[in-house]
Amino acid sequence: DTGVSQDPRHKITKRGQNVTFRCDPISEHNRLYWYRQTLGQGPEFLTYFQNEAQLEKSRLLSDRFSAERPKGSFSTLEIQRTEQGDSAMYLCASSLEGKQFFGPGTRLTVL
Amino acid sequence: GIQVEQSPPDLILQEGANSTLRCNFSDSVNNLQWFHQNPWGQLINLFYIPSGTKQNGRLSATTVATERYSLLYISSSQTTDSGVYFCAVVLSSNTGKLIFGQGTTLQVKP
Repeated sequence: DTGVSQDPRHKITKRGQNVTFRCDPISEHNRLYWYRQTLGQGPEFLTYFQNEAQLEKSRLLSDRFSAERPKGSFSTLEIQRTEQGDSAMYLCASSLEGKQFFGPGTRLTVL
Repeated sequence: GIQVEQSPPDLILQEGANSTLRCNFSDSVNNLQWFHQNPWGQLINLFYIPSGTKQNGRLSATTVATERYSLLYISSSQTTDSGVYFCAVVLSSNTGKLIFGQGTTLQVKP
């Protein structure tokens, strides 16, 4: 399978815990994006990497959120001290230029 | 910021019917994508269409960038077409980040 993959697919955690999600983009894609989608809404942009450089962050990305793409391949998104409002689907996408391809998402539930 | 509006918000069709979904955007865009989100949340690429018309089987899309709208046509709808359809636009080719509309929820009844 050469598509975008995400792990885990589902995560249930208690408020205050830290969680980390992983995204593996399509291998030759240099651009990687994270989005968040809450129930009944369209996805919202969180952050963007070109190779290993994080070039843009949304105001939605509070200081509890951090993302990395250490070698310009896979990326991680960490949420510290989770809150119930963090419950959402976290989507990763990659592109070479233009058309974005999305992974299956990680559904986070914070109890 | 840019507004992306999709209509209708909800649509119920009988199997075999045709439909048109609309996406209006408030500013010039570099690009536009249409997606279908399945019940498991996966966003499936339908069209990458900054302008003009494209067809893929029973689906086709038209974007008129100068008038700031795009249309998605579904012909001879099937129950498997059910789900949420999103339009998303790209303002800046520097980052390519997508700005999504609120979606159209389609239910096709057998």
